Parts: sequence; structure tokens; C-alpha cells
Amino acid sequence: DTAVSQTPKYLVTQMGNDKSIKCEQNLGHDTMYWYKQDSKKFLKIMFSYNNKELIINETVPNRFSPKSPDKAHLNLHINSLELGDSAVYFCASSPPGLANTGELFFGEGSRLTVL
Amino acid sequence: GENVEQHPSTLSVQEGDSAVIKCTYSDSASNYFPWYKQELGKRPQLIIDIRSNVGEKKDQRIAVTLNKTAKHFSLHITETQPEDSAVYFCAASSSDDKIIFGKGTRLHILP
Repeated sequence: DTAVSQTPKYLVTQMGNDKSIKCEQNLGHDTMYWYKQDSKKFLKIMFSYNNKELIINETVPNRFSPKSPDKAHLNLHINSLELGDSAVYFCASSPPGLANTGELFFGEGSRLTVL
Repeated sequence: GENVEQHPSTLSVQEGDSAVIKCTYSDSASNYFPWYKQELGKRPQLIIDIRSNVGEKKDQRIAVTLNKTAKHFSLHITETQPEDSAVYFCAASSSDDKIIFGKGTRLHILP
């Protein structure tokens, strides 16, 4: 049973296209996140949702739009893809009160390559 | 906002020796400090964490220390083994549920 699953694992597309990455967690967690990991392995938070509501929105271009239809799902849609968007995107979830309970549970990552 | 600095960016140690990775943070309100290990092509996974009311925590060959006054914390791995080769991330989290990661340390265990 995969706790946090994301699809697709690999995505190769042309500049200017629009693409989506889906994420689902079956842990019953309230909070979900999207992180971007670039070629230098730097993990940078992009968004966080708590129970379908956006709570963290870092300085991410408007071309990135997260959507949370329910607390078990957090999808990421990217418009007008650019070369610099190439990265591995990790979805993660955590129980309520991260600072109290701890662990971020990551998905396997989605490697996006923009040509 | 929180800023986490991590050193070194790359570390090579002989198998059996110890490895130390150091991090500093900027936000004195941060109260939770996890460490994640990411093997090649895999997802990051929590290996140990420490909270601000504790100075040191140990789990078998890994230990973490925290100096709140100096705002720095460290990961210590003793008796290193080949499977310890990975990228290690420190992180800091305050009450706003935002986990900020350091830039990672690539640890190589040499045979």
C-alpha cells in the first residue's frame, strides 16, 4: 500500500505546453505539500494545503496552480512550461501540527523534463 | 522567514569512520529539527529528529545535537557503512507548519 502516490513518475514535454501532476495520500493526513527539487538537489517548498485550504504559497510563478479537491488529493497544474521548470516534484503529507508530530511523508517524485 | 544553512555540501569518509554534518537556522521560533536521507533516485525519508526542548538524541549509529543559543544543530553518523551513502538534508520547522530544508550534503562512504 503506497502511502503517498504521485503520477506520472516521468513526464517529458515541450516548452509552452500545459501539464498536470496528481498526488494522493491514504494516511488520513490533513496537510499536503508540493516541493520542487532542482538539479542541485535543493528541496524548495512551493505550496501547502491544510484540509483543502491553501496555507503556504511561496514565491512561485502564477503558471503553477495547485488544486485540492479533497484533503486526500493535491494536484499541481503547470501552464506554459519553461526550461527552468525541469525538476523533480515531490508531493508530501503530514499529520496535523507538523511541529508537534513530526514527519513529512514524501511521494516517489515526478521527474519533469521540458525540452 | 526561516533560513537553513548546511555544511559541507559534499563529504567523503572512509568506511568505519564518523561523519558530521552541520546546520544553522535563523528563526529563533523554530522548534523542530528533522533530518532526511535521500538515496539516489528515491524519496527523502526521515531518519531522526529533535525538538527544541532536547539537546541531544541518539538512535543506534546516528545522533543529533541541538544548540538553541547558537541556533545550530548537527548530525553525527558513527561506524559508517556503504549504505550510508546518500544525500542528507537538515530542516527546521516553526509553528506555522513550514519545513525549510538545507541545501543537502552528499555523503560518500569510501571502501
